[in-house]
Amino acid sequence: DTGVSQDPRHKITKRGQNVTFRCDPISEHNRLYWYRQTLGQGPEFLTYFQNEAQLEKSRLLSDRFSAERPKGSFSTLEIQRTEQGDSAMYLCASSLERELFFGSGTQLSVL
Amino acid sequence: GEDVEQSLFLSVREGDSSVINCTYTDSSSTYLYWYKQEPGAGLQLLTYIFSNMDMKQDQRLTVLLNKKDKHLSLRIADTQTGDSAIYFCAESKDYGQNFVFGPGTRLSVLP
Repeated sequence: DTGVSQDPRHKITKRGQNVTFRCDPISEHNRLYWYRQTLGQGPEFLTYFQNEAQLEKSRLLSDRFSAERPKGSFSTLEIQRTEQGDSAMYLCASSLERELFFGSGTQLSVL
Repeated sequence: GEDVEQSLFLSVREGDSSVINCTYTDSSSTYLYWYKQEPGAGLQLLTYIFSNMDMKQDQRLTVLLNKKDKHLSLRIADTQTGDSAIYFCAESKDYGQNFVFGPGTRLSVLP
């Protein structure tokens, strides 16, 4: 499978816990994006990497969110001290040129 | 600021044509996209158009762009039940967070 893969597919956690998601982009893609999607909405930009450098981060993104892309390959998104409002689908996408290719997402439920 | 708008729902009968509309505000957008999302899945790129084009056809899909009115449409010919999904319009002028999605149009195909 040469698509974008995300792990886990589903995560249920209690409020206040930390969670970490992983994204493996298409291997030759140097750009990687994280988006958040809530029910009935389009994807909302969170952050963007070119290779290992985090070039952009949404101003709406809380300090509880952090993302890394060591060595410019896979990426992780960590949410600390989760809140119920963090419940959403977290989507990863990668690109080489102008087209974004999305993974299937991680559905986070915070109880 | 950048904004992308779509009607939220569309119902058509199997075999008819579907037309999904989108308006955007950023006249400097250079690429406009249509993505499809099925339940529980990530977004799948259907097609995209450069802003210097006014039409693109790809099998059952026809994209029309009216740059003057900032209006984009996606026509699906001979709509099938497998076309039932949420369709997102998106615009970009550069990499990173300038990739903006609309709220999505839920297409229901009736037998």
